[in-house]
Amino acid sequence: RKEVEQDPGPFNVPEGATVAFNCTYSNSASQSFFWYRQDCRKEPKLLMSVYSSGNEDGRFTAQLNRASQYISLLIRDSKLSDSATYLCVVNELVERYGNKLVFGAGTILRVKS
Amino acid sequence: DGGITQSPKYLFRKEGQNVTLSCEQNLNHDAMYWYRQDPGQGLRLIYYSQIVNDFQKGDIAEGYSVSREKKESFPLTVTSAQKNPTAFYLCASKPPGLAGGSSYNEQFFGPGTRLTVL
Repeated sequence: RKEVEQDPGPFNVPEGATVAFNCTYSNSASQSFFWYRQDCRKEPKLLMSVYSSGNEDGRFTAQLNRASQYISLLIRDSKLSDSATYLCVVNELVERYGNKLVFGAGTILRVKS
Repeated sequence: DGGITQSPKYLFRKEGQNVTLSCEQNLNHDAMYWYRQDPGQGLRLIYYSQIVNDFQKGDIAEGYSVSREKKESFPLTVTSAQKNPTAFYLCASKPPGLAGGSSYNEQFFGPGTRLTVL
């Protein structure tokens, strides 16, 4: 079983739609959680951290459910510029590494006009 | 401008050759990382360094080597022993931890090097 699992998509949505991505992680000791965005053939960039109480940044809302080991990202009013791959990232405390980021394979979003 | 640079952007290598990928940062970060990304897979950790003159193997270190002689620089050598080196290579760095801060574990990535073995 992968440590961080995401639906690869692609999610094809029209402009203005609301879309949600989910992610599950296997290590219950995971400490912190992030969503990164990666454009085609570019480096990943931090989109937002994910807090237990849920957090919002403009059109983006992230939720964490520690009991179910589940993370979500909701994008409202999708824009063409939101088209990208969204990476779910989990920080684990590992004996060898200390803090280690574990990356999901990503979910592809395509927003169409 | 502070940031992480990687060079070259594209690299072609013949089988049996060693190649070195450059990674430089002027963010004054102590920790630096090398990942590879393959289609349909998450980033996988090759090597990391928490401080100058120290580095540790990641999950897929076989066929790779690194050095950390300066804080700013963390070059990665892909040796001929690496069986399947064609991939997108990403270097990252991380600032020191801030107690209670959300930036504690954020890693900042360079633009990547796309290596192709011919």
